[in-house]
Amino acid sequence: QVQLVQSGAEVKKPGASVKVSCEASGYTFTGYYFHWVRQAPGQGLEWMGRINPNSGGTNYAQKFQGRVTMTRDTSISTAYMELRRLRFDDTAVYYCARAVTAGSSFDFWGQGTLVTVSS
Amino acid sequence: SYVLTQPPSVSVAPGKTARVTCGGNNIGSKSVHWYQQKPGQAPVLVIYYDSDRPSGIPERFSGSNSGNTATLTISRVEAGDEADYYCQVWDSGTYHVVFGGGTKLTVL
Repeated sequence: QVQLVQSGAEVKKPGASVKVSCEASGYTFTGYYFHWVRQAPGQGLEWMGRINPNSGGTNYAQKFQGRVTMTRDTSISTAYMELRRLRFDDTAVYYCARAVTAGSSFDFWGQGTLVTVSS
Repeated sequence: SYVLTQPPSVSVAPGKTARVTCGGNNIGSKSVHWYQQKPGQAPVLVIYYDSDRPSGIPERFSGSNSGNTATLTISRVEAGDEADYYCQVWDSGTYHVVFGGGTKLTVL
């Protein structure tokens, strides 16, 4: 069965970086885009960007341009999202999700990774 | 950038019909997807491409999309339907995904 398993919770200081992983299983890794979505406490869903696991090509939300990098390692079916220069308002649950095409829905989601930015 | 507008909350009595709207400029020309999110859980897809239902989602969930409004309809509402609901589209102009602000459905 399809599974997206994310890495564990992180606590970081302002200015630091965090790298969250998302390991896929149960399907062909390169057949689906990976998207990253975050949700601050009590807030809605916010799209951060996506990566094409085949080509490695990325599209980032303008808000995160210059601060986020999405990568993948096809040999271990894992996608990564790195966010740099963390701020207090980056505290959120970060989700990975897959989609078969650019405009398609997110049919499977990871369990979420809580990133807390605290001094 | 493209904006999706949802009412912050909708309330409905058990057994009645709930309608959650998602407004956007000419949204009828886009494909709309809907997600259900319960507290502490990841979102779950309930409607895709305006009106299709993934396997395992009850027939009580349906969707429509026309003009400037897309609608998620939940018939015969149950207590277990209480959750936040989000609409989502792909903005082909910017290659970006856009989410609505979310609607909290309360079952009275």
